[in-house]
Amino acid sequence: EPEVTQTPSHQVTQMGQEVILRCVPISNHLYFYWYRQILGQKVEFLVSFYNNEISEKSEIFDDQFSVERPDGSNFTLKIRSTKLEDSAMYFCASTEGAYNEQFFGPGTRLTVL
Amino acid sequence: AQSVSQHNHHVILSEAASLELGCNYSYGGTVNLFWYVQYPGQHLQLLLKYFSGDPLVKGIKGFEAEFIKSKFSFNLRKPSVQWSDTAEYFCAVMKTGGYQKVTFGTGTKLQVIP
Repeated sequence: EPEVTQTPSHQVTQMGQEVILRCVPISNHLYFYWYRQILGQKVEFLVSFYNNEISEKSEIFDDQFSVERPDGSNFTLKIRSTKLEDSAMYFCASTEGAYNEQFFGPGTRLTVL
Repeated sequence: AQSVSQHNHHVILSEAASLELGCNYSYGGTVNLFWYVQYPGQHLQLLLKYFSGDPLVKGIKGFEAEFIKSKFSFNLRKPSVQWSDTAEYFCAVMKTGGYQKVTFGTGTKLQVIP
């Protein structure tokens, strides 16, 4: 069964460093999303992406964040200058159409020191 | 904006007990509803979904949920839980329409004791 994959599974970085989290959505999916879950809190929406542009973003998704689909398979989330409060599990999701359920990847645990 | 509340943060049951996890959402328009499960060390998986039609939906592993529009509720049920159901359960809502985000509840940790 096709699934969303994410790399790395765990990323440790120093505050102020840039990180890129990578996702490979399911191949025929067209809509892509990033969510995050701070330890002990609920899963929160960050951004949705369709047709090579951002469809919607939350207030969390400030200028430090960016997303890109650099080729036909990868979908990346970049954090330009990480802060301690960026430490969280980041989930990528994709869906075939806007009216279908979203399939989630296993997540990348980001730890900012 | 839509929101989701889950009433129970931590539920402990013995095997074979019945389960009901409460979920209420707040949004005035048409929604799609989901229950996701996260087993220890694993990623979010879809248990079941409601898009339209029969408000009683059946999912995987014997779970079901009932959408009661008048109560803005989508409670999850299972008549007899197993130890392997130990996991965290998330109720989620999505507005109907294109590109919509999923809004999650805070989750309920279910612990099933053998």
